[in-house]
Amino acid sequence: DVKVTQSSRYLVKRTGEKVFLECVQDMDHENMFWYRQDPGLGLRLIYFSYDVKMKEKGDIPEGYSVSREKKERFSLILESASTNQTSMYLCASSNRIYEQYFGPGTRLTVT
Amino acid sequence: KQEVTQIPAALSVPEGENLVLNCSFTDSAIYNLQWFRQDPGKGLTSLLLIQSSQREQTSGRLNASLDKSSGRSTLYIAASQPGDSATYLCAVISSMDSNYQLIWGAGTKLIIKP
Repeated sequence: DVKVTQSSRYLVKRTGEKVFLECVQDMDHENMFWYRQDPGLGLRLIYFSYDVKMKEKGDIPEGYSVSREKKERFSLILESASTNQTSMYLCASSNRIYEQYFGPGTRLTVT
Repeated sequence: KQEVTQIPAALSVPEGENLVLNCSFTDSAIYNLQWFRQDPGKGLTSLLLIQSSQREQTSGRLNASLDKSSGRSTLYIAASQPGDSATYLCAVISSMDSNYQLIWGAGTKLIIKP
């Protein structure tokens, strides 16, 4: 079974803090993704990566950056957290036929 | 531009009934279509993937069909159970998208009444 894990299920941070969200997959997938999910807005792609050290902007990259130093790990960084970044963050990886598998999500609250 | 629609937004049925969830897309040039379920506050679970050359896929009580010419997919759930209550999402990858990104429907919230 494909397993995608995320470092935290729930996270509370203060405005202006630097926040790291970690995602690890164990299936040797090349493709990894970060989404955020908000009521009424659905899933929106923040960043994705097709290979180590490679990253591409998604639909809403502003205020975020990513890091992929190893194939199995994809990190999302909020350089200076703001209240409008309060959301559910979902990581995914996909296989060669682009079937996506998701992690359990991180509910981030920025106060 | 590819758009994905799921109607209805919510559905409530008695336990034991067979039911169909609908997904439609505007551009028939798709690479694949994937169905997911999401429980409240949780991540997404992949249910079925249908590749462009396939017409249907089955997993247990679930059957997903794909008709590219009409721009439709259906997810059939047999003998529904309360544990099937969740939001069901479909997503497609357009053949014209070199990045192979998923285009998402808004989901159907399914409630199975005991």
